[in-house]
This record gives sequence, structure tokens and C-alpha cells, in this order.
Amino acid sequence: DQQVKQNSPSLSVQEGRISILNCDYTNSMFDYFLWYKKYPAEGPTFLISISSIKDKNEDGRFTVFLNKSAKHLSLHIVPSQPGDSAVYFCAAIGSGGGADGLTFGKGTHLIIQP
Amino acid sequence: EAGVTQFPSHSVIEKGQTVTLRCDPISGHDNLYWYRRVMGKEIKFLLHFVKESKQDESGMPNNRFLAERTGGTYSTLKVQPAELEDSGVYFCASSQARGAGVSFGPGTRLTVT
Repeated sequence: DQQVKQNSPSLSVQEGRISILNCDYTNSMFDYFLWYKKYPAEGPTFLISISSIKDKNEDGRFTVFLNKSAKHLSLHIVPSQPGDSAVYFCAAIGSGGGADGLTFGKGTHLIIQP
Repeated sequence: EAGVTQFPSHSVIEKGQTVTLRCDPISGHDNLYWYRRVMGKEIKFLLHFVKESKQDESGMPNNRFLAERTGGTYSTLKVQPAELEDSGVYFCASSQARGAGVSFGPGTRLTVT
């Protein structure tokens, strides 16, 4: 049973436009959410995170939105650049018990087209 | 600051053999994690060390997997005997605090034939 779901295996966006990557979760114990970016043959690299007490966190071109009632978060990248082409993983963790590690989604492969 | 390093980067072994993966976390990071990604699926948590102690090994698939972290520094993950379904990429990660600021290593790609 997947607790973190990324329903879009891939997403193609034109350079300069906004990329929106979505993530849904089912475990209400999750209270901290992270986005990781992964290039081929490399480990995931931390991108941005958000605590459940917030609904938005912004860092440069990257903004993460959290809708707790819908158990949904999204990552916005604007403007999208060719170097943003990678696999993006949504991850979550809870402080109230459960496994110590991050729970990941399956990832969304973002392709930025020139 | 050096990142998390893993050795080897690739390993190809036959079913039934033994393989040991090594992870060197970022210096000063007490928390060390092992994760595994099998065949393009999600990255799954295996276990968590705090210093040399196993804090949570709920993700370990079975008793063919043994993880150690002697002296609270580097960690090893041994698979004995390896099975075909153990093929995948094994990531190590470390952090100062649990969950937040987790840095991942490049992974070890294990292929069992």
C-alpha cells in the first residue's frame, strides 16, 4: 500500500513555462514533506521541504504548496530550465511514530523541452 | 564538506554469492540510513542507525540482509546469500537530525544474475 503517490510518471514542459509536479499522501501522521531531484546514476538531491504547519514554502524558482485537508502537495518550478530535467521524488516523514526513514513516491520524470 | 560516499558504485554477482556494500556518511552525521530502489519503483527505507545503534530496521526485507555500523562511523550492508530480487540500487543517506536535511550518496547498483 503506497502511502505517498506520484500519479504522473512523466511530465513534459516547455522551457520558460511553469512545471507543476503533484504528490498525494494517505498517512495523516506525516508532518514533514520533502522534494528530491535525481539525475541518472546519482543519488537524490534535496530540493525543498515544507512542514505541516505551513502551506507554502518558496526558494528561488521552486515553491512547494501543501494542502493538508486534501493530503496533497505540489512543487512549482518557474521558469522551467533545461537543467531541471530530472526525476523528482516526493517524500514524507512523521514525528508521531512509524518508520524512521522517509517514505518516497515513485517519482515523476520531468522533461524540459527547448 | 565531502558528501556521502558509497562503495562500490556497481556490483555484479551470481545468485547465492555474498556482497558487502559500504557507506561513509558525512562527518558528524549521527543518523545513517539505507534505502533501496528496485527496478524503477519507489525508493524504500531499509533501516536507520543513530551512531552505532540500529534505531529502526523495519524496512529490512529478510534475514539475508545484515547492516552494521561499527564505531558509529561508516556502515556496511551485507547480502548473504544474494537472490535475483535483490537487484537494485542501494542508497545510503545521512543527517544530523532525523528526517530533515538528509543527504544521499550516489548509490550502489547491485545486479544479481
